[in-house]
Amino acid sequence: TQLLEQSPQFLSIQEGENLTVYCNSSSVFSSLQWYRQEPGEGPVLLVTVVTGGEVKKLKRLTFQFGDARKDSSLHITAAQPGDTGLYLCAGGAQVDYKLSFGAGTTVTVRA
Amino acid sequence: DAMVIQNPRYQVTQFGKPVTLSCSQTLNHNVMYWYQQKSSQAPKLLFHYYDKDFNNEADTPDNFQSRRPNTSFCFLDIRSPGLGDAAMYLCATSGSLAGGSQYFGPGTRLLVL
Repeated sequence: TQLLEQSPQFLSIQEGENLTVYCNSSSVFSSLQWYRQEPGEGPVLLVTVVTGGEVKKLKRLTFQFGDARKDSSLHITAAQPGDTGLYLCAGGAQVDYKLSFGAGTTVTVRA
Repeated sequence: DAMVIQNPRYQVTQFGKPVTLSCSQTLNHNVMYWYQQKSSQAPKLLFHYYDKDFNNEADTPDNFQSRRPNTSFCFLDIRSPGLGDAAMYLCATSGSLAGGSQYFGPGTRLLVL
């Protein structure tokens, strides 16, 4: 299983501020997923990126896949309390059906 | 809507008393997974099925077993739950593309008394 390092582990910001979460690896992935998980619920898939250098936008969320497909970032603009949750990145390789998960970033947006 | 369903959402069992958690999917996906997740940590893969082909993780305790009677259903059996098995159990599915996205159910929170 390939290692994904996610940072920061915790992030607490005021409503309206911006934030960025990073996901880094020394391994190449064929795909990179970002999930958000709220307390007591399962992770919800936000986006999948598959092409090096790819940028995807989902309302106030911007996801980027590194050119070498080893790293990714999630940027939230003007965060809202509804963005609070555990953000997980997960990388897939075409060798098997498993995902390698980052340790997660707990984001708290204060009203 | 196509989805992954887990029942029950909350399960309380006694130390050593067998328990079964269930998962069903309407996505018609080939692969089904069971994960264990503890307090805001990343999910830990226990095992997965590609169709009926069972794949166990090397560090999954023998106490955990699984059954997949058909494409739609998958069960997690915990034969003798210990206090350390209290966790959120997540079921997920994915299509036939290796390394593809996984879709999670809402989870079952297991409490062991």
